[in-house]
Amino acid sequence: AQSVAQPEDQVNVAEGNPLTVKCTYSVSGNPYLFWYVQYPNRGLQFLLKYITGDNLVKGSYGFEAEFNKSQTSFHLKKPSALVSDSALYFCAVSARGGVADKLIFGTGTRLQVFP
Amino acid sequence: GAVVSQHPSWVICKSGTSVKIECRSLDFQATTMFWYRQFPKQSLMLMATSNEGSKATYEQGVEKDKFLINHASLTLSTLTVTSAHPEDSSFYICSALTEGYEQYFGPGTRLTVT
Repeated sequence: AQSVAQPEDQVNVAEGNPLTVKCTYSVSGNPYLFWYVQYPNRGLQFLLKYITGDNLVKGSYGFEAEFNKSQTSFHLKKPSALVSDSALYFCAVSARGGVADKLIFGTGTRLQVFP
Repeated sequence: GAVVSQHPSWVICKSGTSVKIECRSLDFQATTMFWYRQFPKQSLMLMATSNEGSKATYEQGVEKDKFLINHASLTLSTLTVTSAHPEDSSFYICSALTEGYEQYFGPGTRLTVT
């Protein structure tokens, strides 16, 4: 079965420092991986996706993610964190390996950026 | 970017009544939309996949007679919670799939059943 794990409930980082939010996955077949961000009482906003191609994917708001097949990971990164990046981040994988299929979400990681 | 709206953004209803939530893709057509439910401080749980012009596909454990889904057009899907009970209180989020296979989410609807 497809699954996604976000091992950290919360990540704390000082403004201006690099940040990493971890995600590992388990799929049969080719993984289609996504990152979303959720602000309080709001829906999810798409950040980036990996379908195929370059392992380093660049997305919105300066975020990027690195697909590592051998480690089955898709960590979200940003070189310099902003206080406004504080939010809930979800990693997701396409459930049946198809791009148009439903998504399986991780449990979410709360990012707190301190001034 | 693609925009998805939901209406209402929040609703309070009495136990036993029905509530309809609308999900619209504003600037693109979506043959597929998804309905999720999110409990406080938890992840999203997929309830059903809504396909335009056909019956929705419900996830295991989701009562299709309680959560009625209608995808009447390429820009509108509705979720009706029938005979709502307090345990149905939750944050309901829809998403719409673009031709580029990206899911864009609506802002969510907070339902409170008293």
